[in-house]
Amino acid sequence: KQEVTQIPAALSVPEGENLVLNCSFTDSAIYNLQWFRQDPGKGLTSLLLIQSSQREQTSGRLNASLDKSSGRSTLYIAASQPGDSATYLCAVWTGNQFYFGTGTSLTVIP
Amino acid sequence: EPEVTQTPSHQVTQMGQEVILRCVPISNHLYFYWYRQILGQKVEFLVSFYNNEISEKSEIFDDQFSVERPDGSNFTLKIRSTKLEDSAMYFCASRGDSKPQHFGDGTRLSIL
Repeated sequence: KQEVTQIPAALSVPEGENLVLNCSFTDSAIYNLQWFRQDPGKGLTSLLLIQSSQREQTSGRLNASLDKSSGRSTLYIAASQPGDSATYLCAVWTGNQFYFGTGTSLTVIP
Repeated sequence: EPEVTQTPSHQVTQMGQEVILRCVPISNHLYFYWYRQILGQKVEFLVSFYNNEISEKSEIFDDQFSVERPDGSNFTLKIRSTKLEDSAMYFCASRGDSKPQHFGDGTRLSIL
């Protein structure tokens, strides 16, 4: 069964810092990997989707990489802002369903 | 931008009662999903629905649960004989062909 793990569970950084969130998965047979943002009491907002054939995707200050063979993905956030404070989830799509990680709770301190 | 809409935002129900959670997917989407997230735990897949039938379901989705698309717009999750452990956020999602899923804001279900 696919297991998705995210490290760290929580992260607190001063505004302006660059940071990296990590995601690992146990079964490399995935179609894609997606990073989501979840604000308290809210649903999931898709940030970046990387197809299994891709190595990275970029959107604004966000860059996500995927190394399928080693079962790893990273989400890089440049020049962090207080508005980036949220929980970040990664999820792998197997073609049938998503398997989610437990998330990294990010706090950006002004 | 079109959104997935879920109602109600918060549902409080007595244990043993039936509850129906409602979702309006994005209008031209064809694939529909329900997920749940118990407080402090991972988001878990429940069921996927396509072409008016269940295409996949997890081990969580037992006989207590059912889904329906009663008309052209709504997608519902029914939970019969609710238990305390059914308390969670329930998320609906939809997607078009070869497109990422869009999630609703969820329904917080509290079983008393």
